[in-house]
Amino acid sequence: QVQLQESGPGLVKPSETLSLTCSVSGDSVSTTSFYWSWIRQPPGKGLEWIGYIFYSGSTNINPSLKSRVTISLDMSKNQFSLKLRSVTAADTAVFYCARIAATVDAFDIWGQGTMVTVSS
Amino acid sequence: SSELTQDPAVSVALGQTVRIRCQGDSLRTYHANWYQQKPRQAPLLVIYGKNNRPSGIPDRFSGSNSGNTASLTITGTQAEDEADYYCNSRDSSGTLLFGGGTKLTVL
Repeated sequence: QVQLQESGPGLVKPSETLSLTCSVSGDSVSTTSFYWSWIRQPPGKGLEWIGYIFYSGSTNINPSLKSRVTISLDMSKNQFSLKLRSVTAADTAVFYCARIAATVDAFDIWGQGTMVTVSS
Repeated sequence: SSELTQDPAVSVALGQTVRIRCQGDSLRTYHANWYQQKPRQAPLLVIYGKNNRPSGIPDRFSGSNSGNTASLTITGTQAEDEADYYCNSRDSSGTLLFGGGTKLTVL
């Protein structure tokens, strides 16, 4: 059974960098069939795709966030990570990691989500 | 345009059929996937590709595409189907998109 689990600080100060890690069990981040993705959801609002990374290390980032986002892969730990720089209150959200089935762009497995608040 | 548009809210009587729609130019080329999200839970994939259900998803959920519109149909809606529903697809530049979500109320 594939499981994803987000981890990281629940509170980040404005202008600092938000860093989250997603730990994968039951599958390998080195698989060629899936992408590994981050999605966020501000309180009471809809889903926003942040970006994904492939086993090769290539990434696809939402153009609206591209200047502030880095997604990386750690195959030795079977994890992938998100860095979002220069955060503001508008970045407060539940952050989800998810697996994407590459052939259909479907987010088939999701982590439980982690709430990150940007506040001083 | 690179957007997916959904009706904000839809209601359906218990046991009846409801269709939730998702509109966008990218749907002329790419299929939509559909997710169910209940309060304080992560989204759950219910339909992917042309009209495929992941294991464990009841067969009352089905999907279809016509032109620039994708639809999620729930036949014989149950009380536990009350949730927010999101569509997703991609645009021609490779950006993944989510619709704004539809809140389904079961009366």
